[in-house]
Amino acid sequence: DGGITQSPKYLFRKEGQNVTLSCEQNLNHDAMYWYRQDPGQGLRLIYYSQIVNDFQKGDIAEGYSVSREKKESFPLTVTSAQKNPTAFYLCASSLTRLAYYEQYFGPGTRLTVT
Amino acid sequence: AQKITQTQPGMFVQEKEAVTLDCTYDTSDPSYGLFWYKQPSSGEMIFLIYQGSYDQQNATEGRYSLNFQKARKSANLVISASQLGDSAMYFCAMREGREYGGSQGNLIFGKGTKLSVKP
Repeated sequence: DGGITQSPKYLFRKEGQNVTLSCEQNLNHDAMYWYRQDPGQGLRLIYYSQIVNDFQKGDIAEGYSVSREKKESFPLTVTSAQKNPTAFYLCASSLTRLAYYEQYFGPGTRLTVT
Repeated sequence: AQKITQTQPGMFVQEKEAVTLDCTYDTSDPSYGLFWYKQPSSGEMIFLIYQGSYDQQNATEGRYSLNFQKARKSANLVISASQLGDSAMYFCAMREGREYGGSQGNLIFGKGTKLSVKP
């Protein structure tokens, strides 16, 4: 079955540590995205990638980094520079970034930093 | 300025009744797409329905339909015959522009409406 996998579902880290969230898709989609969701809020875009070896900052990229070495994979690193890292993180992909293509989402990773 | 506005933070509906979730949007781009997503308590975002700005007819997908009023810039989601499993957060989203490049291809989300279906 095609889809997007994110692991782990729950992640706990100590303040000051970097942590990497994985995102894998087997939908053969070109575009991939990372979003952050805080309680009672909509989704905010962190980073996006249109093709392999290319990615762009979204609205809230500070304190985060990404890589896109393979079409299927788009890992997100939450660095110690991110001031409020505790949140729900969603990865998504779409065939392309054209307006009429919907994004498919993974199950999300809930990150708690103490 | 907010690009997507969902004015109903929470709504209740009786099982088997229809419900309308409101969404208004703001764009000067003539080409855009409007999307509705459902987010159950598990957290995953589930795509429900899409409406393109040039589509002549309102989109429908099973029990979901989109009441698209272009002049009013509204894209309300109508759920017919509500079921208990419809209880979830619902997000309206917009993507501007047909072409690649820049921030225009990004999906912009509203803050959501929490729908609760009563038995």
